[in-house]
Amino acid sequence: GDSVTQTEGLVTLTEGLPVMLNCTYQTIYSNPFLFWYVQHLNESPRLLLKSFTDNKRTEHQGFHATLHKSSSSFHLQKSSAQLSDSALYYCALRSGSFNKLTFGAGTRLAVCP
Amino acid sequence: ETAVFQTPNYHVTQVGNEVSFNCKQTLGHDTMYWYKQDSKKLLKIMFSYNNKQLIVNETVPRRFSPQSSDKAHLNLRIKSVEPEDSAVYLCASSYRVNTEVFFGKGTRLTVV
Repeated sequence: GDSVTQTEGLVTLTEGLPVMLNCTYQTIYSNPFLFWYVQHLNESPRLLLKSFTDNKRTEHQGFHATLHKSSSSFHLQKSSAQLSDSALYYCALRSGSFNKLTFGAGTRLAVCP
Repeated sequence: ETAVFQTPNYHVTQVGNEVSFNCKQTLGHDTMYWYKQDSKKLLKIMFSYNNKQLIVNETVPRRFSPQSSDKAHLNLRIKSVEPEDSAVYLCASSYRVNTEVFFGKGTRLTVV
């Protein structure tokens, strides 16, 4: 079945440094949809980015990601981390004809002053 | 306001009791879901309903059952809860396949 693998555990950064959270996926289907969700403390996950177009950069709220089907990757990046970026980030995959979103285990980002 | 609404926010109950959680979406979506978020923050889909038909049913225990009256409502009933059912249950909805899901604020269940 489908699976999503993310940077494990906790990523700690100093404010102003670049952010890179890894996401790779596995699916037998050729047209995957990839998503990044962000969950702040005591809130529910909300959509940050999405893409289904190969090699096209998608951006939102300072974050960006590019779906690379050749490497089955959809890494999340930001040029300069802010304190407010501290949250739990999920990469998710939707593929095939099944109406199901498969989530990675989540990566917690902690940005320090 | 259009969103996904869940009740209750929190529920504490004893092992063996039955609980029900409600979910309503006012987004006009045609598909609703229940996800379980455990203590390690893993998000696992439990059920998916499209036009009142169950289309994804992961291997959840039989004591869990989804209940839908129309495409805007999807409730979750747990018969005879067990300690491992303690988690946050997130209701979500989406429109068509291959679109994003929108989550409710969740119901935190604690089984003592």
